[in-house]
Amino acid sequence: AQSVTQPDIHITVSEGASLELRCNYSYGATPYLFWYVQSPGQGLQLLLKYFSGDTLVQGIKGFEAEFKRSQSSFNLRKPSVHWSDAAEYFCAVVGISNTGKLIFGQGTTLQVKP
Amino acid sequence: GAGVSQSPSNKVTEKGKDVELRCDPISGHTALYWYRQSLGQGLEFLIYFQGNSAPDKSGLPSDRFSAERTGGSVSTLTIQRTQQEDSAVYLCASRTTGGVGSGANVLTFGAGSRLTVL
Repeated sequence: AQSVTQPDIHITVSEGASLELRCNYSYGATPYLFWYVQSPGQGLQLLLKYFSGDTLVQGIKGFEAEFKRSQSSFNLRKPSVHWSDAAEYFCAVVGISNTGKLIFGQGTTLQVKP
Repeated sequence: GAGVSQSPSNKVTEKGKDVELRCDPISGHTALYWYRQSLGQGLEFLIYFQGNSAPDKSGLPSDRFSAERTGGSVSTLTIQRTQQEDSAVYLCASRTTGGVGSGANVLTFGAGSRLTVL
């Protein structure tokens, strides 16, 4: 069965520091992968996606993610975190039925210290 | 509309009452999804509608949960005889038709309906 694991439930970084959020997936074929962000009281906003091609994908708000098939990973990175990046981040994979149904990780809450 | 609209944004109800949550997807989006977000459970898929096809109800947690989509647009999620464990944020999402691999074909989420069962 497909699954997504985000090993870090909570991460705290200082403003201006770099960030990496980890995501590992379990999927039998080439995955479609996503990162979403959720600010308090808001819905989910798409940060970036990977379908095929270049394994380093750029997203909004200065985020990027790298697909590594050998490690079954799709880690999210940002070189310099801003206080407004404090939110919950979800990694997701499209389920094998290919209906577009997303399977989400448990989420990582990012706290940014001034 | 410009985005996925959900109502009510907040709902407080008493245990045993029925509730209805509404989702108005982006105009032209034929696929619609309901998810539940609760503490400790993450985001759980509930149900999926695609055009006139039979819905995928595989994620509904019990027969107290049901959903319909009228006219291929607005969807209503109904929870009968609510229980305290039903307290959660219910998220709706929609997307266009076409292959999932399309560059534009991603789920757009609404802001959610927060349900509190006392």
